[in-house]
Amino acid sequence: DTEVTQTPKHLVMGMTNKKSLKCEQHMGHRAMYWYKQKAKKPPELMFVYSYEKLSINESVPSRFSPECPNSSLLNLHLHALQPEDSALYLCASSQDRNEQFFGPGTRLTVL
Amino acid sequence: KNEVEQSPQNLTAQEGEFITINCSYSVGISALHWLQQHPGGGIVSLFMLSSGKKKHGRLIATINIQEKHSSLHITASHPRDSAVYICAVERGSNYKLTFGKGTLLTVNP
Repeated sequence: DTEVTQTPKHLVMGMTNKKSLKCEQHMGHRAMYWYKQKAKKPPELMFVYSYEKLSINESVPSRFSPECPNSSLLNLHLHALQPEDSALYLCASSQDRNEQFFGPGTRLTVL
Repeated sequence: KNEVEQSPQNLTAQEGEFITINCSYSVGISALHWLQQHPGGGIVSLFMLSSGKKKHGRLIATINIQEKHSSLHITASHPRDSAVYICAVERGSNYKLTFGKGTLLTVNP
């Protein structure tokens, strides 16, 4: 299994909703990443987990809350988002600092 | 000035043409990545380089550490190669990638 899966593919939520994005990989990778990508822009790193511990938080607002329950799973909990948070959210994983394998992304729309 | 600069920003080619996309960076790096993203899609890692040259099928990536420059070549281009190609560099011992703005490649049949 050499892929990173993300669910859901699309998500529409209101500003008062709470939702979660899920990312899973079974390649034994110990680093997992969340990126945010706006249209026609490169990805922006949000969080990095290394060996299930948060190692990088790129000053992301607290309305985004990451969680790494185990080495295969990464969640991103969303609460009280703003319309400007609408974007493609990409998960990636890597074996330490090797090439990153990206998931297909979740297209998020905040109304 | 961005730490990672790509050129050209947009490139249109005819099927079968040889394509080159360039990436220059201004910082010391531990590795350079080439990524591909189809419209509306996820990202695929094409290469990770720290020196020399790598080849995979019709794709070739080279890097010159002294000149802080890398190129991605596509031989015998095909419409399915149409995508955004992104150069990203890795610095030091953390997990962060610094991305270029991408090159939009369109290959016409």
